[in-house]
Amino acid sequence: GAVVSQHPSWVICKSGTSVKIECRSLDFQATTMFWYRQFPKQSLMLMATSNEGSKATYEQGVEKDKFLINHASLTLSTLTVTSAHPEDSSFYICSAPRGGGGLTEAFFGQGTRLTVV
Amino acid sequence: GQQVMQIPQYQHVQEGEDFTTYCNSSTTLSNIQWYKQRPGGHPVFLIQLVKSGEVKKQKRLTFQFGEAKKNSSLHITATQTTDVGTYFCAGALGSGYSTLTFGKGTMLLVSP
Repeated sequence: GAVVSQHPSWVICKSGTSVKIECRSLDFQATTMFWYRQFPKQSLMLMATSNEGSKATYEQGVEKDKFLINHASLTLSTLTVTSAHPEDSSFYICSAPRGGGGLTEAFFGQGTRLTVV
Repeated sequence: GQQVMQIPQYQHVQEGEDFTTYCNSSTTLSNIQWYKQRPGGHPVFLIQLVKSGEVKKQKRLTFQFGEAKKNSSLHITATQTTDVGTYFCAGALGSGYSTLTFGKGTMLLVSP
């Protein structure tokens, strides 16, 4: 089945540094990918929609200059958390939809647990 | 904007008991999807419901989509410890995935 790979699975960084998270669709092409943030025991909050070859669409309240998204190919989207601060510590997860036969299913990456110290 | 409410937020049952989580949308949906997220894991697609009044079953899991396409439920019969996790519903307004809104999820804990 379709697999979405996300890397790294966890990262600890110092406050003020930047962290890049990669999301790859391994056996299908994804013109669109989605980035979510999930705080402990809470739901998935959509941060932005990543579009291959064009600018990402950010949800209200998400700073586009802080959360840089690049979707350079049909199988790779990256999220860079710039100048990270402790409040950015969270679980970041990407998903890529794959449709066919009237069904569109979201495949999620394994998630990245970011801890900013 | 569209809101998807899910209740309960948390439920603790004894193994063998039944469990139900409910999902309600403020707007009519084109389809609804259900996902399961195990502790420490990522959400995994369970099923999609498209038709008004649709009922689908997966072994002990029964999924329903309301007649008005604004509510849905997931019922687990005779829970097992392997059912532990958070169950999310996600409602879609349009076709495809681009307008999917997730509910807050129901965390299920099953005691042996």
